[in-house]
Amino acid sequence: GDSVTQMEGPVTLSEEAFLTINCTYTATGYPSLFWYVQYPGEGLQLLLKATKADDKGSNKGFEATYRKETTSFHLEKGSVQVSDSAVYFCALSGDLNRDDKIIFGKGTRLHILP
Amino acid sequence: SQTIHQWPVTLVQPVGSPLSLECTVEGTSNPNLYWYRQAAGRGLQLLFYSVGIGQISSEVPQNLSASRPQDRQFILSSKKLLLSDSGFYLCAWSGLGIWTEAFFGQGTRLTVV
Repeated sequence: GDSVTQMEGPVTLSEEAFLTINCTYTATGYPSLFWYVQYPGEGLQLLLKATKADDKGSNKGFEATYRKETTSFHLEKGSVQVSDSAVYFCALSGDLNRDDKIIFGKGTRLHILP
Repeated sequence: SQTIHQWPVTLVQPVGSPLSLECTVEGTSNPNLYWYRQAAGRGLQLLFYSVGIGQISSEVPQNLSASRPQDRQFILSSKKLLLSDSGFYLCAWSGLGIWTEAFFGQGTRLTVV
């Protein structure tokens, strides 16, 4: 079945460092890909998304490119801030021909040190 | 605009007691609905999802159940809670089709003692 694998955390960086959180997926067909962020004690909220190959999603300085050839959707940010500390989830929505439930990775906790 | 309400926000229940968590969505029709559980160190686990009234798909065997008595209402239940049921429960909805993202409720922190 469809699945999402993302790098395990926690990831600890200093403020203004470059961030990459890896995400790869397995899916038959053409899923949409998402990154969600969860701040402490809250539910998840959408950070960015891409719906087809080579699309780049971006928001709040974060970017991710839908790479079909490598089945990846890595999250990047050029200069992180303390306020970016949160848990980040990569997700996909399934093939329209089967079902469209949303599948999440296990999440990566990010700590940014001042 | 669409909103999702989930309650209660926190809950402490003894082992063996029943559970009922409720989630309602406003501002949309025929949403896909989801229950997820987030246990410490285990990421986000899909428990149930529903594509319509009375249609429930279970992702993992457990002592929990879900029901969808109305189009925009999704209930998570248990007859007898276990210690291992402790966790953070999240309800979510999404539109039809693979292009729409999920929108999450604020979550319920359940502690079984």
